Amino acid sequence: QVQLQESGPQLVKTSETLSVTCTASGDSISGYYWYWIRQPAGKGLEFIGRIYSDGRTNYNPSLMSRLTLSVDTSKNQLSLRLTSVTATDTASYYCARGEKVAGGRWHYFGLDVWGQGTTVTVSS
Amino acid sequence: IVMTQSPLSLPVTPGEPASISCRSSQSLHNNGYNYVDWYLQKPGQSPRLLIYLGSNRASGVPDRFSGSGSGTDFTLTISRVEAEDFGVYYCMQALESRLSFGGGTKVEIK
Repeated sequence: QVQLQESGPQLVKTSETLSVTCTASGDSISGYYWYWIRQPAGKGLEFIGRIYSDGRTNYNPSLMSRLTLSVDTSKNQLSLRLTSVTATDTASYYCARGEKVAGGRWHYFGLDVWGQGTTVTVSS
Repeated sequence: IVMTQSPLSLPVTPGEPASISCRSSQSLHNNGYNYVDWYLQKPGQSPRLLIYLGSNRASGVPDRFSGSGSGTDFTLTISRVEAEDFGVYYCMQALESRLSFGGGTKVEIK
């Protein structure tokens, strides 16, 4: 069973760039969609974006101008980069596994595997 | 797609049933499936998948959890709430690649 582990700086300065990496172990990331979701402390869940293992992406329009998602299948890693951050970007950041694509068909079983999350604080 | 959950808070006595409602701003039914999931998040933990595509229990989820509904109205039912079931429940639409979540329902001990 695949396991996901997010990592990155806990503190980022205002206007700088937030970078989080999600490392998968136990299975290959190939053939799946991978989601990034964030959650401010005490609040709800927000979709950031998703990336397929071949690099195709879909972004939340509210973050699109500042967001880059990437994938490195050789390292079994996903990456999130968010530029020009402000205090409103302070949150726990999660990666999660989504749809499997096999034989040209999509198979959806929910976001069935989540990382434990990494908390990022944006402050001057 | 806007997802609206109710109630916001649900006090429950262990052993009693509980139901959470979720309404979407447009139909989530497509190709024979309802693209709604349910997740449980406990304090300090990441969300855990309970139900996918409206009514399918995820691996390892006890059969006291069930999902129902179609179109725009969905329900998560716990037949008999146990101590480990307390936390915040979220519904989520997966019809669009831009996922969206309900605001959450906190199930707490009465």
